[in-house]
Amino acid sequence: DVKVTQSSRYLVKRTGEKVFLECVQDMDHENMFWYRQDPGLGLRLIYFSYDVKMKEKGDIPEGYSVSREKKERFSLILESASTNQTSMYLCASSFGQGRTDTQYFGPGTRLTVL
Amino acid sequence: GESVGLHLPTLSVQEGDNSIINCAYSNSASDYFIWYKQESGKGPQFIIDIRSNMDKRQGQRVTVLLNKTVKHLSLQIAATQPGDSAVYFCAENIGGYNKLIFGAGTRLAVHP
Repeated sequence: DVKVTQSSRYLVKRTGEKVFLECVQDMDHENMFWYRQDPGLGLRLIYFSYDVKMKEKGDIPEGYSVSREKKERFSLILESASTNQTSMYLCASSFGQGRTDTQYFGPGTRLTVL
Repeated sequence: GESVGLHLPTLSVQEGDNSIINCAYSNSASDYFIWYKQESGKGPQFIIDIRSNMDKRQGQRVTVLLNKTVKHLSLQIAATQPGDSAVYFCAENIGGYNKLIFGAGTRLAVHP
């Protein structure tokens, strides 16, 4: 089975703090994604990566950055957390190399910024 | 922009009945569609997928139908069980690095 894990299930941070969300997948997937999920808005893509050290902006990248130093790990960084970044953050991964394939999700991290 | 949407935000069914969850998409170039199930407090879980060269695909108790003429996707769940209660999302692949666009979701409530 594909396994995508996220470092924390729940996280509480203060405004202005730097926040790291970590995601690890064990299926040797090329593609990795970060989404945020808010009530009534569905899943919105923040950033994705199709290879080590490669990254592409998604639909809502403002206020976020990412890092992919190893194939299995994709980190989402909030440089200076703000209250409007309170949300559920979901990581996903999929095969790349031109394949159209399913994205597999982690359990999510519920971040609260006070 | 083009997006994936759902007709009904909430669907209530009796246990044992069949459920149908609908989804409309607007990108005629999309070639791959997925249905996900998300239970409370968990990440989305893959249910079934279908490629644009197919009209129907069946899994265990689930069937996905694709009507490219009217850009409509549906998920049918047979003999709905309480464990099927969740939010269901359709997603559309718009090409290039396997990016997906998700609908807002439909909540399925199964009553005994």
